[in-house]
Amino acid sequence: GAVVSQHPSWVICKSGTSVKIECRSLDFQATTMFWYRQFPKQSLMLMATSNEGSKATYEQGVEKDKFLINHASLTLSTLTVTSAHPEDSSFYICSAVAVAKNIQYFGAGTRLSVL
Amino acid sequence: QKEVEQDPGPLSVPEGAIVSLNCTYSNSAFQYFMWYRQYSRKGPELLMYTYSSGNKEDGRFTAQVDKSSKYISLFIRDSQPSDSATYLCAMSDSSASKIIFGSGTRLSIRP
Repeated sequence: GAVVSQHPSWVICKSGTSVKIECRSLDFQATTMFWYRQFPKQSLMLMATSNEGSKATYEQGVEKDKFLINHASLTLSTLTVTSAHPEDSSFYICSAVAVAKNIQYFGAGTRLSVL
Repeated sequence: QKEVEQDPGPLSVPEGAIVSLNCTYSNSAFQYFMWYRQYSRKGPELLMYTYSSGNKEDGRFTAQVDKSSKYISLFIRDSQPSDSATYLCAMSDSSASKIIFGSGTRLSIRP
């Protein structure tokens, strides 16, 4: 149980295009999902907290207009990187917290490469 | 001072050795303590989950929490090359609204 599916696992795009990453909790409902960014050999950096049916809460320094987050249902959150640039190239990871539990379960991550 | 401190390593030990990984923290409100394992270019995988102080054992893994010292540990017995990964400690308060991660320790098990 507690499987989080994240797609795509790897995406390459041209500079200026937008990329959407999906995060799904497959066998549980998640009222809260988190989006992280990770640079090589560094720890996870929280970007935003996504709550079902409400606006996401962004961490300081994260541009909300560039990283659009939608949490339309209890099993799906999406992160859209708008007008991607090479500096947005990174490893993006989502996690989901099961209703009435205090554990974050992580997706496998999405490697974004912007040319 | 960071809320959670973790030695980044790298830590290299021979196969079969006992591995000890540790984290210290400063926020006394933390009540939930977790250890995640992350292989290269993969998402973190939950290994151990502990509430408050005490020990928890799962196979070759033992997690210890000492809230009085604000110190948590993960022990790996009979270490295997497949245990080579980055290990992240993480903790949260009772609201679980945010998890604070350590920087991760890179572990390498030599065959």
